[in-house]
Amino acid sequence: EDQVTQSPEALRLQEGESSSLNCSYTVSGLRGLFWYRQDPGKGPEFLFTLYSAGEEKEKERLKATLTKKESFLHITAPKPEDSATYLCAVQSRGAQKLVFGQGTRLTINP
Amino acid sequence: ETGVTQTPRHLVMGMTNKKSLKCEQHLGHNAMYWYKQSAKKPLELMFVYSLEERVENNSVPSRFSPECPNSSHLFLHLHTLQPEDSALYLCASSQELAVNIQYFGAGTRLSVL
Repeated sequence: EDQVTQSPEALRLQEGESSSLNCSYTVSGLRGLFWYRQDPGKGPEFLFTLYSAGEEKEKERLKATLTKKESFLHITAPKPEDSATYLCAVQSRGAQKLVFGQGTRLTINP
Repeated sequence: ETGVTQTPRHLVMGMTNKKSLKCEQHLGHNAMYWYKQSAKKPLELMFVYSLEERVENNSVPSRFSPECPNSSHLFLHLHTLQPEDSALYLCASSQELAVNIQYFGAGTRLSVL
């Protein structure tokens, strides 16, 4: 059974303090790993898809990386508007659905 | 604006009521999904539709009944719900089942009294 575990559950940073969020996964053959951002009262917003180990993608202050067992979402010099819950999901080969982790709630203090 | 619209945004219902949630996507996608999001739990996939055919039903109680009349619209009919069904219900769509970048609506916050 595919599983996704995200850590930490919650993270509080000062503005400008860089850090990383972790997503560990077990799948029977990875088709894709997805990162989403969710703001309070809203649905998840798509950020990145990673398909193979070694792949990296960037968007503004965010960079996602992928290994065979985990993905990291690195946030560089974060701003208060980066505060949100970040969700990780995987899709295994032959599967039609995404399996989500429980998310990391990120708070950036000014 | 994600191109996926859900109504209503908030719903309060008694255990004996019947209500429906509506989802409409303006992205030209062929696959649509219903998820349940409860506090401190991962998103739970409920139903998957591809070209108006249900392709997955994740052991969801029969008090939840989906309907997909066309590839742009998805409904979730609710009846005889329990208080533990209170949650955020999210609709999503993707271009195809195999292309699984899903775009989500803002959700319906459901409270069952």
